[in-house]
Amino acid sequence: NAGVTQTPKFQVLKTGQSMTLQCAQDMNHEYMSWYRQDPGMGLRLIHYSVGAGITDQGEVPNGYNVSRSTTEDFPLRLLSAAPSQTSVYFCASSYSGSLREKLFFGSGTQLSVL
Amino acid sequence: GEDVEQSLFLSVREGDSSVINCTYTDSSSTYLYWYKQEPGAGLQLLTYIFSNMDMKQDQRLTVLLNKKDKHLSLRIADTQTGDSAIYFCAETRRGSQGNLIFGKGTKLSVKP
Repeated sequence: NAGVTQTPKFQVLKTGQSMTLQCAQDMNHEYMSWYRQDPGMGLRLIHYSVGAGITDQGEVPNGYNVSRSTTEDFPLRLLSAAPSQTSVYFCASSYSGSLREKLFFGSGTQLSVL
Repeated sequence: GEDVEQSLFLSVREGDSSVINCTYTDSSSTYLYWYKQEPGAGLQLLTYIFSNMDMKQDQRLTVLLNKKDKHLSLRIADTQTGDSAIYFCAETRRGSQGNLIFGKGTKLSVKP
């Protein structure tokens, strides 16, 4: 019963470094998304995907790339990390259609950019 | 613009009822949601209400929806220390089915 698995749980980067946050789900969900959670800001949508090969931008996409080559995986890439990207990142997935809004979340990745 | 507003903190005594309030902007949302986040964990769907309903009850949880005022509330009866968490209200992002707009979350603290 893995659900949505995010790795790593914690990461410290230096400004300018790149890295990939991994997200995998084993529920055969078509829809996957990335959110960031900042104090006092709630959750903000970064990118989302409605199926393999299809991605789209959310509310705060700048500085992040995504790809969806398989149904199971939806990695989030930080191209050149900045201190403003210090946040907790959550991956979420759901079924398609009317169930799409009923999200299953991973346990998060806490990222610090120095 | 679209927005979901919640108060940030609520403190209650164990055994009391908790009421968490939310206002939203998009009346076209088919469903409205409450998600719960326990310390150090991701969010989990707690309950939701169909937009043509006024009330939904699920064990200790009661959701009230006032569409005219765009007001949603979550009542937790007999609140327990295990209910301490952050509760997020969410509505559908307009023109983007499946993408939700979350409020900033209400941190519920339950004192023994």
